[in-house]
Amino acid sequence: GQNIDQPTEMTATEGAIVQINCTYQTSGFNGLFWYQQHAGEAPTFLSYNVLDGLEEKGRFSSFLSRSKGYSYLLLKELQMKDSASYLCAAVGAGSYQLTFGKGTKLSVIP
Amino acid sequence: GAVVSQHPSRVICKSGTSVKIECRSLDFQATTMFWYRQFPKQSLMLMATSNEGSKATYEQGVEKDKFLINHASLTLSTLTVTSAHPEDSSFYICSAKTGSSYEQYFGPGTRLTVT
Repeated sequence: GQNIDQPTEMTATEGAIVQINCTYQTSGFNGLFWYQQHAGEAPTFLSYNVLDGLEEKGRFSSFLSRSKGYSYLLLKELQMKDSASYLCAAVGAGSYQLTFGKGTKLSVIP
Repeated sequence: GAVVSQHPSRVICKSGTSVKIECRSLDFQATTMFWYRQFPKQSLMLMATSNEGSKATYEQGVEKDKFLINHASLTLSTLTVTSAHPEDSSFYICSAKTGSSYEQYFGPGTRLTVT
């Protein structure tokens, strides 16, 4: 089966850096996605990792270690608008389906 | 590019009635569309996967006779909640993908309230 774990909630200060971790167990692996979701809205794409290593995209970076079944999303120079839920989702083998974690609700405080 | 729309954005219906939700890919051909349900403070749960021109594949625990999915064209999929009950009240989100890409493009979601 598929299992995705990430912390339920995190709080960080405006301007700071926060790292949101995700561990996954899937039947095969075809990549890991991070999505941002504001309350009452659909998820928006942040990143996709399929190879080990760090991918940087502006203030957001995502890291993957396939051998450890581990990923993290790094948010730098936090802004109030970054307050949202961050969803980790993995793609198993032989399927295009995404299995989502329960999401990490990030609160950015002044 | 890669825009997905949903209609309606919000709907309120009475218990026992049926509601249809449309999902459209506006600027690409969606070979596969997915329907998710999200309850408050929970993550997205996949309900079904539909490929254009074929029957949808439902996840375990999702009643195919209650949640009717039609994917008649490469740009449109519909989800019909039949004989809706208050426990069906939820946020329904569709997504679409094309070709061999794993990325899914999400619609804005439909908030269903059954009274």
